[in-house]
Amino acid sequence: AQRVTQPEKLLSVFKGAPVELKCNYSYSGSPELFWYVQYSRQRLQLLLRHISRESIKGFTADLNKGETSFHLKKPFAQEEDSAMYYCALYSDYKLSFGAGTTVTVRA
Amino acid sequence: SQTIHQWPATLVQPVGSPLSLECTVEGTSNPNLYWYRQAAGRGLQLLFYSVGIGQISSEVPQNLSASRPQDRQFILSSKKLLLSDSGFYLCAWSVQGAPEAFFGQGTRLTVV
Repeated sequence: AQRVTQPEKLLSVFKGAPVELKCNYSYSGSPELFWYVQYSRQRLQLLLRHISRESIKGFTADLNKGETSFHLKKPFAQEEDSAMYYCALYSDYKLSFGAGTTVTVRA
Repeated sequence: SQTIHQWPATLVQPVGSPLSLECTVEGTSNPNLYWYRQAAGRGLQLLFYSVGIGQISSEVPQNLSASRPQDRQFILSSKKLLLSDSGFYLCAWSVQGAPEAFFGQGTRLTVV
C-alpha cells in the first residue's frame, strides 16, 4: 500500500531564507506526486506536480526515486508562503496525503 | 467552469445524533468524488472515494458511511455520531483518470 510521510509538522523560517519541506513516499509502482497548499481561509489547492517539472511561486520539487523523496524547495521564502503544505501521491483513482507541514515565514 | 459546493460550513451536533453532509459538483460529468477528514496532527485522511453512481470505496473502518445517489452528488452520513467524529471534512472531485483534485470549502463538525 502507498504511504506518504512528511516528518515535519511545523517549519519556521525568516523571510528571504531558503525553505525545504520534506516528503518521502512508499509505493511499489511508478508514482505520481504532488504538492498541495492551503492558505489561511482558502481552499486546499494544487501547488505543483512532479510530472510537469514546473516552478510555481518560486517553489520546485524534484522526484528522487532512489531516495523515494519529493521534497519541496524555495530559495527565498516570502511572508505570503505561510501556509499548510501537503505532499500527495496518486494511485488507483485516489490521492493519499501526508500529515502536512505548517510553514510560518517571519519578517 | 466547474464548481464544487459543500455544506454546511459549520455544524455542532450532540453525541448520538445522525449526520448528513452534502457535496455537489457542477460543470462536469462522471467525476471521481472523495471525502477527506482533516484532523489536528493527523493530516488529511481519505475516508471514501467513488468512481461512479452507487460505487463507494471505504478507506478506513469507522462510524461513517458515504453514498452517491446522483452522478455529481456525494453524501457523508452517520447514524450515531461519536466525539471522535469531530473534525474538518473536505469533499473533493477529480476528472476520471486524472490525478488533480479540486476541493470544497469544508465542513467543521464539532460533536459535543
